[in-house]
Amino acid sequence: GAVVSQHPSWVICKSGTSVKIECRSLDFQATTMFWYRQFPKQSLMLMATSNEGSKATYEQGVEKDKFLINHASLTLSTLTVTSAHPEDSSFYICSAFYRGDQPQHFGDGTRLSIL
Amino acid sequence: DQQVKQNSPSLSVQEGRISILNCDYTNSMFDYFLWYKKYPAEGPTFLISISSIKDKNEDGRFTVFLNKSAKHLSLHIVPSQPGDSAVYFCAASATYGNTGKLIFGQGTTLQVKP
Repeated sequence: GAVVSQHPSWVICKSGTSVKIECRSLDFQATTMFWYRQFPKQSLMLMATSNEGSKATYEQGVEKDKFLINHASLTLSTLTVTSAHPEDSSFYICSAFYRGDQPQHFGDGTRLSIL
Repeated sequence: DQQVKQNSPSLSVQEGRISILNCDYTNSMFDYFLWYKKYPAEGPTFLISISSIKDKNEDGRFTVFLNKSAKHLSLHIVPSQPGDSAVYFCAASATYGNTGKLIFGQGTTLQVKP
C-alpha cells in the first residue's frame, strides 16, 4: 500500500525554538498533503491543506505565521512550528492525497513537546 | 457544527464476536466515506472505504454499510480479534472539486477481550 513517511517522530525542545516536520509520500505523487493536529483523546483536527507549488490553505483559527507550510514537490511537504511554546505541544500528523475517490494515507505522526 | 459524529466513545466485545461501529453524518454533499484504525502515537491506517453509489463494501473481516437516506454508516468486524483493539475513526469527503478534504468523527475506542 501507499507509504507516507513523517520525520521526526518525536521532538523535545525549549520554548522559543522553531521545529520543522517533514512529510514525504514514498511511492506516489501526492497532489495535496494535509496537516492535522491531535490532542489527547480527541479527533484529528485539520490545520491546513498543502498543494505543491502554491500557498497552503489554513483552516479557521490556525495561525499561518505560526505554522509555516512549504510544499516543495509532489512528494514533500514541511510544517515549521515557529517560536514554539508549551501550548504548541501536540501530536502532528500529515497525510498525502492523490485524487478524490482514493483514501488519504497518513504518516506516523510527530510528538512535539515544548518545555 | 459536527458534520461527522461517532456517538459511542467506546465499545467492548468478546473475541470471536461481531464488532459494530457506527457513524452519522449531516452533510448531504458527502459521497465518499472511510474508516481508519489508529493506535496511540501512530498515524491512522486506512481500513476500508465506500462510495455513495454503493450500500455495502466488504474486505475480509471488515464490511462497511452505508444508508444514505439515514445518513448513517457502520463498520462490521467479524470475527473480532484482540489485535483489532484500537481507536476507529470514520471520515467523510465530498469528492466534487477533488480537494480530498476529510472530515473526521470523534473516534470510537474498541476493546476486544480474549
